[in-house]
Amino acid sequence: DAKTTQPPSMDCAEGRAANLPCNHSTISGNEYVYWYRQIHSQGPQYIIHGLKNNETNEMASLIITEDRKSSTLILPHATLRDTAVYYCIVRLRIETGGGADGLTFGKGTHLIIQP
Amino acid sequence: DARVTQTPRHKVTEMGQEVTMRCQPILGHNTVFWYRQTMMQGLELLAYFRNRAPLDDSGMPKDRFSAEMPDATLATLKIQPSEPRDSAVYFCASGLGYGGQASAFFGQGTRLTVV
Repeated sequence: DAKTTQPPSMDCAEGRAANLPCNHSTISGNEYVYWYRQIHSQGPQYIIHGLKNNETNEMASLIITEDRKSSTLILPHATLRDTAVYYCIVRLRIETGGGADGLTFGKGTHLIIQP
Repeated sequence: DARVTQTPRHKVTEMGQEVTMRCQPILGHNTVFWYRQTMMQGLELLAYFRNRAPLDDSGMPKDRFSAEMPDATLATLKIQPSEPRDSAVYFCASGLGYGGQASAFFGQGTRLTVV
Protein backbone atom coordinates (compact mmCIF):
# COMPACT_ATOMS: atom_id res chain seq x y z
CA ASP A 1 0.00 0.00 0.00
CA ALA A 2 1.25 3.45 -0.89
CA LYS A 3 1.95 5.52 2.21
CA THR A 4 1.36 8.83 0.51
CA THR A 5 -1.64 10.88 -0.60
CA GLN A 6 -1.51 13.12 -3.66
CA PRO A 7 -4.16 15.00 -5.63
CA PRO A 8 -5.02 13.05 -8.78
CA SER A 9 -4.45 15.98 -11.12
CA MET A 10 -3.26 19.57 -11.29
CA ASP A 11 -2.91 22.27 -13.90
CA CYS A 12 -0.19 24.88 -14.12
CA ALA A 13 0.52 27.63 -16.62
CA GLU A 14 3.72 27.40 -18.61
CA GLY A 15 6.48 29.50 -17.07
CA ARG A 16 4.92 29.50 -13.63
CA ALA A 17 6.05 27.50 -10.63
CA ALA A 18 4.32 24.16 -10.21
CA ASN A 19 3.82 23.16 -6.60
CA LEU A 20 2.89 19.52 -6.09
CA PRO A 21 1.76 18.54 -2.58
CA CYS A 22 2.12 15.18 -0.90
CA ASN A 23 0.87 13.98 2.46
CA HIS A 24 2.79 11.26 4.27
CA SER A 25 1.44 11.53 7.80
CA THR A 26 2.64 8.07 8.87
CA ILE A 27 6.23 8.55 7.77
CA SER A 28 8.78 7.23 10.23
CA GLY A 29 12.12 8.72 11.19
CA ASN A 30 14.09 6.34 8.99
CA GLU A 31 12.13 6.93 5.80
CA TYR A 32 13.05 9.21 2.94
CA VAL A 33 10.69 11.13 0.69
CA TYR A 34 11.35 10.43 -2.99
CA TRP A 35 9.83 12.02 -6.07
CA TYR A 36 9.68 10.44 -9.49
CA ARG A 37 7.84 11.42 -12.62
CA GLN A 38 6.66 9.50 -15.64
CA ILE A 39 6.25 11.19 -18.97
CA HIS A 40 3.87 9.44 -21.32
CA SER A 41 5.31 6.23 -22.82
CA GLN A 42 8.56 6.51 -20.88
CA GLY A 43 9.96 4.87 -17.78
CA PRO A 44 9.77 6.68 -14.44
CA GLN A 45 12.46 9.30 -13.93
CA TYR A 46 14.08 10.13 -10.62
CA ILE A 47 13.68 13.78 -9.60
CA ILE A 48 14.80 14.36 -6.04
CA HIS A 49 14.71 12.94 -2.53
CA GLY A 50 15.16 14.15 1.03
CA LEU A 51 15.04 13.10 4.65
CA LYS A 52 14.19 16.21 6.67
CA ASN A 53 16.02 19.15 5.13
CA ASN A 54 14.86 20.98 2.06
CA GLU A 55 16.67 19.90 -1.08
CA THR A 56 17.31 21.49 -4.46
CA ASN A 57 18.81 20.17 -7.64
CA GLU A 58 18.78 21.16 -11.30
CA MET A 59 15.29 19.75 -11.78
CA ALA A 60 13.33 20.77 -8.72
CA SER A 61 13.16 21.76 -5.07
CA LEU A 62 11.75 19.64 -2.29
CA ILE A 63 10.25 21.30 0.76
CA ILE A 64 9.58 19.01 3.72
CA THR A 65 7.57 20.31 6.66
CA GLU A 66 9.20 20.34 10.07
CA ASP A 67 7.01 17.49 11.32
CA ARG A 68 7.79 15.59 8.07
CA LYS A 69 4.12 14.75 7.58
CA SER A 70 3.95 16.46 4.21
CA SER A 71 6.13 17.79 1.45
CA THR A 72 5.93 19.89 -1.70
CA LEU A 73 7.78 19.40 -4.95
CA ILE A 74 8.43 22.66 -6.73
CA LEU A 75 9.20 22.96 -10.42
CA PRO A 76 10.30 26.59 -10.55
CA HIS A 77 9.54 27.39 -14.18
CA ALA A 78 7.27 24.74 -15.63
CA THR A 79 7.48 23.94 -19.34
CA LEU A 80 5.23 21.85 -21.56
CA ARG A 81 7.75 19.01 -21.25
CA ASP A 82 7.02 18.83 -17.52
CA THR A 83 3.57 17.42 -18.24
CA ALA A 84 3.74 14.01 -16.57
CA VAL A 85 2.50 11.89 -13.66
CA TYR A 86 4.44 12.79 -10.51
CA TYR A 87 4.87 10.19 -7.81
CA CYS A 88 5.67 10.90 -4.18
CA ILE A 89 7.10 7.85 -2.40
CA VAL A 90 8.33 7.16 1.11
CA ARG A 91 11.17 4.75 1.25
CA LEU A 92 13.07 3.02 3.98
CA ARG A 93 16.55 4.31 4.73
CA ILE A 94 19.16 1.64 4.16
CA GLU A 95 21.95 1.78 6.72
CA THR A 96 23.85 -1.33 5.76
CA GLY A 97 25.31 0.26 2.68
CA GLY A 98 24.76 -0.78 -0.90
CA GLY A 99 21.51 -1.75 -2.53
CA ALA A 100 18.09 -0.26 -2.28
CA ASP A 101 14.62 -1.35 -1.35
CA GLY A 102 11.93 -1.40 -3.96
CA LEU A 103 9.90 1.73 -4.56
CA THR A 104 6.16 1.41 -3.98
CA PHE A 105 4.31 3.65 -6.41
CA GLY A 106 0.84 5.04 -5.77
CA LYS A 107 -1.43 6.74 -8.29
CA GLY A 108 0.53 9.98 -8.42
CA THR A 109 -0.52 13.43 -9.60
CA HIS A 110 -1.09 14.05 -13.27
CA LEU A 111 0.41 17.49 -13.81
CA ILE A 112 -0.72 19.24 -16.97
CA ILE A 113 1.21 22.31 -18.07
CA GLN A 114 -1.01 24.67 -20.04
CA PRO A 115 0.49 26.85 -22.78
CA ASP B 1 25.44 8.55 -20.99
CA ALA B 2 24.68 5.68 -18.60
CA ARG B 3 21.25 4.16 -18.98
CA VAL B 4 19.28 0.99 -18.38
CA THR B 5 18.69 -0.88 -21.62
CA GLN B 6 15.72 -3.17 -22.12
CA THR B 7 15.03 -5.51 -25.01
CA PRO B 8 12.81 -6.00 -26.85
CA ARG B 9 10.93 -2.70 -26.72
CA HIS B 10 7.78 -4.33 -28.05
CA LYS B 11 6.65 -7.95 -28.07
CA VAL B 12 3.47 -9.49 -29.39
CA THR B 13 3.00 -13.17 -28.68
CA GLU B 14 0.31 -15.79 -28.61
CA MET B 15 -1.12 -17.16 -25.41
CA GLY B 16 0.87 -20.11 -24.16
CA GLN B 17 4.17 -18.99 -25.65
CA GLU B 18 7.29 -18.30 -23.62
CA VAL B 19 8.39 -14.68 -23.34
CA THR B 20 11.84 -13.53 -22.22
CA MET B 21 12.57 -9.89 -21.47
CA ARG B 22 16.14 -8.69 -20.97
CA CYS B 23 17.66 -5.83 -19.06
CA GLN B 24 21.17 -4.42 -19.00
CA PRO B 25 21.58 -2.41 -15.80
CA ILE B 26 23.83 0.61 -15.49
CA LEU B 27 27.41 -0.52 -15.07
CA GLY B 28 28.37 -0.66 -11.41
CA HIS B 29 24.83 -0.69 -10.08
CA ASN B 30 24.25 -3.47 -7.59
CA THR B 31 20.45 -3.60 -7.44
CA VAL B 32 18.05 -4.48 -10.22
CA PHE B 33 14.26 -4.14 -10.06
CA TRP B 34 11.50 -5.49 -12.27
CA TYR B 35 8.19 -3.57 -12.39
CA ARG B 36 4.99 -4.12 -14.33
CA GLN B 37 2.63 -1.31 -15.30
CA THR B 38 -0.99 -1.62 -16.35
CA MET B 39 -3.78 0.94 -16.49
CA MET B 40 -5.69 -0.85 -13.75
CA GLN B 41 -2.89 -1.62 -11.29
CA GLY B 42 -0.36 1.09 -12.01
CA LEU B 43 3.30 0.33 -11.29
CA GLU B 44 3.80 -2.91 -9.37
CA LEU B 45 7.10 -4.21 -8.06
CA LEU B 46 7.58 -7.80 -9.22
CA ALA B 47 11.06 -8.64 -7.97
CA TYR B 48 14.46 -7.24 -7.23
CA PHE B 49 18.04 -8.40 -6.91
CA ARG B 50 20.94 -7.14 -4.90
CA ASN B 51 24.44 -8.16 -5.93
CA ARG B 52 22.75 -10.65 -8.29
CA ALA B 53 20.95 -12.46 -5.47
CA PRO B 54 17.15 -12.39 -5.41
CA LEU B 55 16.03 -10.19 -2.54
CA ASP B 56 12.27 -10.08 -2.90
CA ASP B 57 10.02 -11.66 -5.50
CA SER B 58 6.80 -11.60 -3.51
CA GLY B 59 5.09 -9.48 -6.14
CA MET B 60 5.65 -12.00 -8.88
CA PRO B 61 3.25 -14.83 -9.84
CA LYS B 62 5.49 -17.79 -9.07
CA ASP B 63 3.79 -20.35 -11.24
CA ARG B 64 4.62 -18.70 -14.53
CA PHE B 65 7.12 -15.93 -13.89
CA SER B 66 10.82 -16.26 -13.18
CA ALA B 67 13.56 -13.68 -12.80
CA GLU B 68 17.29 -14.28 -12.92
CA MET B 69 20.60 -12.46 -13.13
CA PRO B 70 23.04 -14.75 -14.91
CA ASP B 71 25.72 -12.07 -14.58
CA ALA B 72 26.11 -8.49 -13.43
CA THR B 73 25.33 -7.10 -16.88
CA LEU B 74 22.14 -9.03 -17.59
CA ALA B 75 18.82 -9.53 -15.85
CA THR B 76 16.01 -11.58 -17.37
CA LEU B 77 12.29 -11.88 -16.71
CA LYS B 78 10.61 -14.91 -18.20
CA ILE B 79 6.94 -15.77 -18.51
CA GLN B 80 6.01 -19.35 -19.37
CA PRO B 81 3.28 -19.89 -20.41
CA SER B 82 2.11 -16.37 -21.18
CA GLU B 83 -1.52 -15.33 -20.76
CA PRO B 84 -3.50 -12.34 -22.05
CA ARG B 85 -3.62 -10.88 -18.53
CA ASP B 86 0.17 -10.57 -18.65
CA SER B 87 -0.17 -7.83 -21.25
CA ALA B 88 1.54 -4.79 -19.72
CA VAL B 89 4.64 -2.65 -19.88
CA TYR B 90 7.51 -4.24 -18.00
CA PHE B 91 10.17 -1.93 -16.61
CA CYS B 92 13.60 -2.75 -15.38
CA ALA B 93 15.44 -0.34 -13.08
CA SER B 94 18.87 -0.38 -11.53
CA GLY B 95 20.25 1.40 -8.51
CA LEU B 96 23.23 1.87 -6.26
CA GLY B 97 22.87 2.92 -2.70
CA TYR B 98 25.20 3.99 0.06
CA GLY B 99 23.99 5.07 3.45
CA GLY B 100 20.40 5.23 2.34
CA GLN B 101 20.96 7.58 -0.56
CA ALA B 102 19.65 5.23 -3.18
CA SER B 103 17.93 6.14 -6.42
CA ALA B 104 16.63 3.79 -9.08
CA PHE B 105 16.98 4.53 -12.78
CA PHE B 106 14.44 3.04 -15.12
CA GLY B 107 14.70 1.68 -18.62
CA GLN B 108 12.24 2.49 -21.39
CA GLY B 109 10.26 -0.68 -20.82
CA THR B 110 9.09 -3.67 -22.82
CA ARG B 111 5.51 -3.44 -24.02
CA LEU B 112 4.13 -6.96 -24.01
CA THR B 113 0.91 -7.94 -25.74
CA VAL B 114 -0.36 -11.48 -25.35
CA VAL B 115 -3.15 -12.38 -27.76
